[in-house]
Amino acid sequence: AQSVTQLDSQVPVFEEAPVELRCNYSSSVSVYLFWYVQYPNQGLQLLLKYLSGSTLVKGINGFEAEFNKSQTSFHLRKPSVHISDTAEYFCAVTEGNYGQNFVFGPGTRLSVLP
Amino acid sequence: SQTIHQWPATLVQPVGSPLSLECTVEGTSNPNLYWYRQAAGRGLQLLFYSVGIGQISSEVPQNLSASRPQDRQFILSSKKLLLSDSGFYLCAYSSGFGGRTEAFFGQGTRLTVV
Repeated sequence: AQSVTQLDSQVPVFEEAPVELRCNYSSSVSVYLFWYVQYPNQGLQLLLKYLSGSTLVKGINGFEAEFNKSQTSFHLRKPSVHISDTAEYFCAVTEGNYGQNFVFGPGTRLSVLP
Repeated sequence: SQTIHQWPATLVQPVGSPLSLECTVEGTSNPNLYWYRQAAGRGLQLLFYSVGIGQISSEVPQNLSASRPQDRQFILSSKKLLLSDSGFYLCAYSSGFGGRTEAFFGQGTRLTVV
């Protein structure tokens, strides 16, 4: 069965500093990976996705993530954060053979400090 | 273009009252539909998903139920709400099979059971 781990429940960082949000998954088959962002009292918005091809994926708002199959990781990075990046970030996975179920991690709250 | 509508945005209901949350999708046919619940400070819990009209899979046993009376309509219901049903409910859809597609989320319903 699939599972997603986000080890950091909260990440405080100063504005213009780099940030990495960690995501590890568990699956016995090929996977597709996603990062979503959620602002307060709103739905989730897709930041980026890995389906195949290059392991470095670029998304919206300057975020990127790298798929590492050997370490079963899909960490999210941004070289310089802004106050507006303060939000909850969720990593999600679906399996290649049965794609209807999205399994989400518990989320990481990113707080960007002035 | 594809869009997803979810209403109401907020709802305050007394314990023991019924519930009906509605979600509709536009711009795509035969979508996979999902209901998630997000408790305060926690991740997303998949409640129900549907791959077609009348086809509902329940992930968590509870006093909630879901129905899909039309291809692009997904309804979450309860006959008698419990205090523990409070939370943020999110409807989502995806198109296609095999996992090579992201989920798109509605704006959510904040349910408070009092």
